[in-house]
Amino acid sequence: QKEVEQDPGPLSVPEGAIVSLNCTYSNSAFQYFMWYRQYSRKGPELLMYTYSSGNKEDGRFTAQVDKSSKYISLFIRDSQPSDSATYLCATRDSSYKLIFGSGTRLLVRP
Amino acid sequence: KAGVTQTPRYLIKTRGQQVTLSCSPISGHRSVSWYQQTPGQGLQFLFEYFSETQRNKGNFPGRFSGRQFSNSRSEMNVSTLELGDSALYLCASSYEGTEPYEQYFGPGTRLTVT
Repeated sequence: QKEVEQDPGPLSVPEGAIVSLNCTYSNSAFQYFMWYRQYSRKGPELLMYTYSSGNKEDGRFTAQVDKSSKYISLFIRDSQPSDSATYLCATRDSSYKLIFGSGTRLLVRP
Repeated sequence: KAGVTQTPRYLIKTRGQQVTLSCSPISGHRSVSWYQQTPGQGLQFLFEYFSETQRNKGNFPGRFSGRQFSNSRSEMNVSTLELGDSALYLCASSYEGTEPYEQYFGPGTRLTVT
């Protein structure tokens, strides 16, 4: 079993839709959770991070962590074609190593 | 502030050759991590250097090695290249002043082994 599981998609939505991206993780000791966005032929770009459980909002993006179910989510409101990218969830182990999900490809149709 | 830079951006090598990739971290960042990204395995951690010392290592064979210089620049080397080494190699740097030690990625070096 992978330490971080993520549905690879692709996920196709119309412009303006609310997008929900999700990951599950296996180790309850994980504390920090990140979301990265990766455009084609680019390196991943850190979008948001959260610590422990709870929500964090940044503009159209909301990151949510539910430690009881080991579930992390990223919500994108009013999605735009420019949001089309691969979204990677990640967590960090005790040695500061990042462990990534496989990434979900998102396509926002105009 | 300039971001993480990686050179070269693209590389084509033949099986059995060796290759060296370079990474310049964001100014002031002392930690550099390397990752391999492939369609099948996703992003996998190779190793991390902090203050010229390897602090962490992933599950890759000894053909993959790295080093870090006193100016925090880092290189990774892959010897005896195999077809399966074709991938995007990403470098990330972090400051590590305060949690959560956010890692910032470079654009990557796309290596093709023929």
